[in-house]
Amino acid sequence: QVQLQESGPGLVKPSQTLSLTCTVSGGSISTGGHYWSWIRQHPGKGLEWIGYIYYSGFTYYNSSLKSRVTISVDTSKNHFSLKLSSVTVADTAVYYCARADIAARVTDSWGQGTLVTVSS
Amino acid sequence: DIQMTQSPSSLSASVGDRVTITCRASQSIDNYLNWFQQKSGKAPKLLIYGASSLRSGVPSRFSGAGSGTDFTLTISSLQPEDFATYYCQHGALAFGGGTKVEI
Repeated sequence: QVQLQESGPGLVKPSQTLSLTCTVSGGSISTGGHYWSWIRQHPGKGLEWIGYIYYSGFTYYNSSLKSRVTISVDTSKNHFSLKLSSVTVADTAVYYCARADIAARVTDSWGQGTLVTVSS
Repeated sequence: DIQMTQSPSSLSASVGDRVTITCRASQSIDNYLNWFQQKSGKAPKLLIYGASSLRSGVPSRFSGAGSGTDFTLTISSLQPEDFATYYCQHGALAFGGGTKVEI
C-alpha cells in the first residue's frame, strides 16, 4: 500500500517561493504507470489541481498556475517536489500530494495534506 | 482547459433520502470521471472511478453514471456517515467545485 507524506515550511513570506516535497513509501516512483500530482485546497474552498509529473520528468500543469509552478522528481530519493514562485496570501492553502493511475485515469492515493500560510 | 461544473453546491437531506449530484464537463471527457468524498480536515476518499466503477470497499449505496459531458453520483439511501462534501474530477486533472451534503 503506497503512502505519501508532504513536508516543507508551513509559513512563507509574500513574494517568496513555496517549496514542498512529497516522500513516497510502499512503492517506487520509477516503476511507472502513475503520475505524481500536487493538489491544493484554499481554506473552506474546493480542490484545485496544480499539476503532475511522470518519473521520466514529463510534467503537465494547470494553465492558471503554469507560469509560477515547477514540479520535479528525484527517483533516487523516491520523492517529488513542488515549487510555487512569487506567492501571495491567495496561495495560502492545504497542499496535497497524490498519485494518479495513468491507465485508469484516477487519483487513487493521497497524502494527508500540509497547510502552508503565506504571511509577512 | 476542460472545466468541471457541479450542482448543486450544497443540499440538505435526511437519513434514508436518495441524493443525486450532477457534474458537467465543458467538453466530452468520455468516461474519465471520478467521484470523491471529503470530510473536514481529511484528504479526499475515492468512491467511483471511470464514471461508474465502485472502488473496492465503498458501500453499494453509492453509484455513478454518465458519459461524455454529463455525470451523476447517487447515494441511494443516505446514511449519517455520508454527510460530507463530494467532488468530481476529470481523470487526474480538474475538479468540480464540490457539493456539500448537509443534514
